[in-house]
Amino acid sequence: GIQVEQSPPDLILQEGANSTLRCNFSDSVNNLQWFHQNPWGQLINLFYIPSGTKQNGRLSATTVATERYSLLYISSSQTTDSGVYFCAVGRNTGKLIFGQGTTLQVKP
Amino acid sequence: DAGVTQSPTHLIKTRGQHVTLRCSPISGHKSVSWYQQVLGQGPQFIFQYYEKEERGRGNFPDRFSARQFPNYSSELNVNALLLGDSALYLCASSLAGSSYEQYFGPGTRLTVT
Repeated sequence: GIQVEQSPPDLILQEGANSTLRCNFSDSVNNLQWFHQNPWGQLINLFYIPSGTKQNGRLSATTVATERYSLLYISSSQTTDSGVYFCAVGRNTGKLIFGQGTTLQVKP
Repeated sequence: DAGVTQSPTHLIKTRGQHVTLRCSPISGHKSVSWYQQVLGQGPQFIFQYYEKEERGRGNFPDRFSARQFPNYSSELNVNALLLGDSALYLCASSLAGSSYEQYFGPGTRLTVT
């Protein structure tokens, strides 16, 4: 099956700093989503981005499908950005395969 | 519009018991998927239902079963609970069966003692 690797596993930032999270996947996909999981467990949709580039406020994402990776950029980080960020991919089915996540801590 | 809803929020069961978790998708969505998330890991796919039919099954034992109703809501049933079934159970809905953005509910946190 498709393997999903996220890096780094942990990240500590000072408020205001920028960061880049990476997601590598082992096969072609036609669904790629980025999520933020808050401390209560809720998975919040950030981007649906099987290819191309999207921006939403301080967040942006780029997926290069031909090279099998996606990047999530967080600019001017805030303490509320803390939590776990997941990349999940799917291929011709409704099954999403999740990476292990990147745990982000933003310090004031 | 309401998002995906799940009930109950929390549940404590004893080994050997069975449990039923419920999920209502976003209005207009016809596909529901179930995931299990144990502490420290990403969610793992259990089932997908689309138009009341099972469209996918993950690597889970037969103790896990699910169904989808005519109103597209869904139930996940787990029999003969084990301590290892303790997890956050997440439900996701999407417009159709594949390659569509999935939206997750708040989850049901199951503790098996």
